Amino acid sequence: KAGVTQTPRYLIKTRGQQVTLSCSPISGHRSVSWYQQTPGQGLQFLFEYFSETQRNKGNFPGRFSGRQFSNSRSEMNVSTLELGDSALYLCASSLSWSNTGELFFGEGSRLTVL
Amino acid sequence: QQQVKQSPQSLIVQKGGISIINCAYENTAFDYFPWYQQFPGKGPALLIAIRPDVSEKKEGRFTISFNKSAKQFSLHIMDSQPGDSATYFCAAVSGNTGKLIFGQGTTLQVKP
Repeated sequence: KAGVTQTPRYLIKTRGQQVTLSCSPISGHRSVSWYQQTPGQGLQFLFEYFSETQRNKGNFPGRFSGRQFSNSRSEMNVSTLELGDSALYLCASSLSWSNTGELFFGEGSRLTVL
Repeated sequence: QQQVKQSPQSLIVQKGGISIINCAYENTAFDYFPWYQQFPGKGPALLIAIRPDVSEKKEGRFTISFNKSAKQFSLHIMDSQPGDSATYFCAAVSGNTGKLIFGQGTTLQVKP
């Protein structure tokens, strides 16, 4: 069974640009969550989608947005990039909404903002 | 109130020794406590998890101890091996929100 797939794995952008990251969950998983990982702030919750609906949202500015498609694949978008957005963005999937914290993570998309 | 505090930040243990990582929380609404293991270049992977109505859970060399009254829980790695060298995250989730709150992480190095 294939794991969570995230694309692209690495990308470099400049300030002010926007970026879209993609996540394909494990087959059959309907919930997708996104996390930002940085050395200073650790792992921080961005948002969670279940059946194309955003169930939860973390404390991030509106520049961070996401969506989920009918096949459970998800994308997240960051607009007007800032230097501080440089991070590893992790996608995680679960069978249902993650009320047990049992998530399956992808290897992440490492974003560098110059 | 949403924080999960984890210590130590880093830990060096000799092969065969016991690694102990501690976490504390404030929010009594948390009702599930998973631990994740992350190797460099990889995403976190679920290691072991516990509910607050259980005081201890053991899976192989990994044991979670849970103290509900103190709002603390810890991970013990017995007979630590160099392959256990990784970053470990404790976490907590409230069933009502489904939002996973992570501790800051502990980088474990097991010396051969």
